[in-house]
Amino acid sequence: KAGVTQTPRYLIKTRGQQVTLSCSPISGHRSVSWYQQTPGQGLQFLFEYFSETQRNKGNFPGRFSGRQFSNSRSEMNVSTLELGDSALYLCASRQGLAGEHSYNEQFFGPGTRLTVL
Amino acid sequence: EDKVVQSPLSLVVHEGDTVTLNCSYEVTNFRSLLWYKQEKKAPTFLFMLTSSGIEKKSGRLSSILDKKELSSILNITATQTGDSAIYLCAANFGGTSYGKLTFGQGTILTVHP
Repeated sequence: KAGVTQTPRYLIKTRGQQVTLSCSPISGHRSVSWYQQTPGQGLQFLFEYFSETQRNKGNFPGRFSGRQFSNSRSEMNVSTLELGDSALYLCASRQGLAGEHSYNEQFFGPGTRLTVL
Repeated sequence: EDKVVQSPLSLVVHEGDTVTLNCSYEVTNFRSLLWYKQEKKAPTFLFMLTSSGIEKKSGRLSSILDKKELSSILNITATQTGDSAIYLCAANFGGTSYGKLTFGQGTILTVHP
């Protein structure tokens, strides 16, 4: 089975621009979560999508948004980029079935390294 | 606020040593605790623990959860240079979804030959 894939792998943008990142989960996984990783703050949860609905949201400004499509692929958008948005953006997928703990292991993609100049 | 704390923050050992990494959590409605290994790229899943006292093992790595102490340990025996990485602990707290993980700061493990 192919793992979680993310595109693009690297991105350089300037302040004020917007960016869209894409994540394809493991086949059969219905849940996609997004995380931001920085040296200062570590790994922080952004949001989770399950069956095309946002289920959870972390403490990030409204400039960070996302969506999920019917095939479980997800996109994350950051508008009006700031220097502090430079980070590794990771997505993770899980099967998301209720009642069986093993279905809730999260597997990460390789990440998108975003640099804001 | 839900919180996960790992210790030590960094550790330097020699090949063959055994290491123990610690993770504690402050919880509202704890569900599960996960361990990941991160080298240069994305975190790689190691274990998920939901029941207290049951050890999970994979090769030289093992982990156990203590719900009474709100903590978990990750043991690595006979360390190798390939074990050098950041080890991340994450907790899933209940209420709405399994999809949100709260991570600790990570333990940087360096194994010298």
